Amino acid sequence: GAGVSQSPSNKVTEKGKDVELRCDPISGHTALYWYRQSLGQGLEFLIYFQGNSAPDKSGLPSDRFSAERTGGSVSTLTIQRTQQEDSAVYLCASSSIGKRYGTQPQHFGDGTRLSIL
Amino acid sequence: AQSVTQLDSHVSVSEGTPVLLRCNYSSSYSPSLFWYVQHPNKGLQLLLKYTSAATLVKGINGFEAEFKKSETSFHLTKPSAHMSDAAEYFCVVSDRNAGNMLTFGGGTRLMVKP
Repeated sequence: GAGVSQSPSNKVTEKGKDVELRCDPISGHTALYWYRQSLGQGLEFLIYFQGNSAPDKSGLPSDRFSAERTGGSVSTLTIQRTQQEDSAVYLCASSSIGKRYGTQPQHFGDGTRLSIL
Repeated sequence: AQSVTQLDSHVSVSEGTPVLLRCNYSSSYSPSLFWYVQHPNKGLQLLLKYTSAATLVKGINGFEAEFKKSETSFHLTKPSAHMSDAAEYFCVVSDRNAGNMLTFGGGTRLMVKP
């Protein structure tokens, strides 16, 4: 079966431009997560969608970052007025929700490598 | 609050020798613990998970990890390293108080010498 799909795989853009990153989760997974991984760093949580609940946006680093999840499936992460410090790999993950919280692993896409010139 | 500490940022072993990647966690409730592996330019792949069943967990590619509550540890081991094991490894914790949120360790880069 298909895993988590992210597009584009690489994106190079000029400082100040807006970018949109797409994530297509595993079919049937109700939870979707975005993370940022900077060079040599661990994973930084950005935002979490669960079903029809309001998303957990607590990890978004600034108001230039926003995300949507349409129809409970595909998600788009938008970065407005990009800055050089936004250069990173943006990873998306999805999971099902088990009977017991915290027991379901997240399945990751290969990420979008974003480079801001 | 939950947290994860991976005690070594880099580990280097020779091919065919054992691998030990160390992980300690802090959790306010009975945790779920995971190990993920990340190869270059790839996403994270689940190696194994512990969710309060057997304390010795076997994963893919010959890896296993043992949950030790008294030591708050979840170290990853493999009896014999292969060149293809060279990658970044992340220890991850989740507990009920955090919902389905994961907390990641800082990662350990495993290098395998021929």
